[in-house]
Amino acid sequence: DIQMTQSPSSLSASVGDRVTITCRASQSMNSHLNWYQQKPGKAPKLLISGTSNLQSGVPSRFSGSGSGTDFTLTISSLQPEDFATYYCQQSSSGVTFGQGTKVEIK
Amino acid sequence: EVQLVESGGGLVQPGGSLRLSCTASGFTFSTYWMYWVRQFPGKGLEHVASLSLDGSDKYYVDSVRGRFTISRDNAKNSLYLEMTNLTPEDTAVFYCVRDLTSGYALEYWGQGTLVTVSS
Repeated sequence: DIQMTQSPSSLSASVGDRVTITCRASQSMNSHLNWYQQKPGKAPKLLISGTSNLQSGVPSRFSGSGSGTDFTLTISSLQPEDFATYYCQQSSSGVTFGQGTKVEIK
Repeated sequence: EVQLVESGGGLVQPGGSLRLSCTASGFTFSTYWMYWVRQFPGKGLEHVASLSLDGSDKYYVDSVRGRFTISRDNAKNSLYLEMTNLTPEDTAVFYCVRDLTSGYALEYWGQGTLVTVSS
């Protein structure tokens, strides 16, 4: 299986900030890279599938990009409800998750 | 509305067994791959097992292969995870998850059921 390394593991940001989270694959992969948001006590929520496809109902301030081994989740203007933990996940070879990035209030 | 409801979690002694169930509604169960994903206490997510539409293709993470068995009953809209020889390292919240309609992502998640392995 492909291993996923997320960075940073945590970050502090303010409302309105642009936030970027990176996910690196252990080998080149196709576009089956997904991003999830998880809030405390809740199940993860699918935000983006197939590298850049925003799921229905997800605000347009979220976007995804990347190819090969490097993928990015960007939040263009952080909102109070975006403070959460974010995970990348690949389905190119097996199913594996990154270790998560906790976005905290600065 | 898609709903996935897990049951069967609880406290079990090391070496014990447990069977998790997931009851699905709001979609045609037999047309989706299904997954079990677990989350260790205070930590990240791990894919445990996945199962094809008719149950013929199964995939497991290395750490559970040979101890866990995923299965489904399409007539009952149900997914199962039979867990044997449990260890404290299996302690986690287990989620039942449905595939994305177009595949390759985990779209709908249940609320999770906690499995605690302890003496």
